[in-house]
Amino acid sequence: EAGVVQSPRYKIIEKKQPVAFWCNPISGHNTLYWYLQNLGQGPELLIRYENEEAVDDSQLPKDRFSAERLKGVDSTLKIQPAELGDSAVYLCASSLEAGGPYNEQFFGPGTRLTVL
Amino acid sequence: GENVEQHPSTLSVQEGDSAVIKCTYSDSASNYFPWYKQELGKGPQLIIDIRSNVGEKKDQRIAVTLNKTAKHFSLHITETQPEDSAVYFCAAVRPGGSNYKLTFGKGTLLTVNP
Repeated sequence: EAGVVQSPRYKIIEKKQPVAFWCNPISGHNTLYWYLQNLGQGPELLIRYENEEAVDDSQLPKDRFSAERLKGVDSTLKIQPAELGDSAVYLCASSLEAGGPYNEQFFGPGTRLTVL
Repeated sequence: GENVEQHPSTLSVQEGDSAVIKCTYSDSASNYFPWYKQELGKGPQLIIDIRSNVGEKKDQRIAVTLNKTAKHFSLHITETQPEDSAVYFCAAVRPGGSNYKLTFGKGTLLTVNP
């Protein structure tokens, strides 16, 4: 069974440019998460979806970040415009909805963003 | 919000030795504590977890202990092997209906020397 798929794996852009990351969760997983992982740190939640609904976006910087999961399957995270401090790894994870916080979260390999 | 402290930040052991990583959490309402292993270029992967109604859990060479009173939990790896080399993250979950969140520690880079 395929795991969580993310693309691109690496992205280098200049500051003030837009960038988008794509995630396809494990089939049947209704819950999808986007995390930010800075170098030497643990992942930090940006947004959590239950199906197509964003149920927790309290940590998403809404002035420049946006996300969507239109059909309740794959998801896109966008940054516009990117800043130097956005350089990090963006991780996507998915889990079964039933069981909520006690369900294992399966992570993708991440997209490493470098903003020059 | 929840705060998870993890120590040490780096740990180097000889193959066959044991490794222990310790974490503390701040929110006494947290009741689920997973541990993740992250290899280079990959996302974190769950290796073991424990709920607050259990004091210890073991799975082959890895075990986790939890002290609710002191609000700390630990990962123990015995008979370490080179393939155990990775970054390990502890985490804590505070339930709250739809507002639950996994809070991670900063990670421990474990190096197992052959």
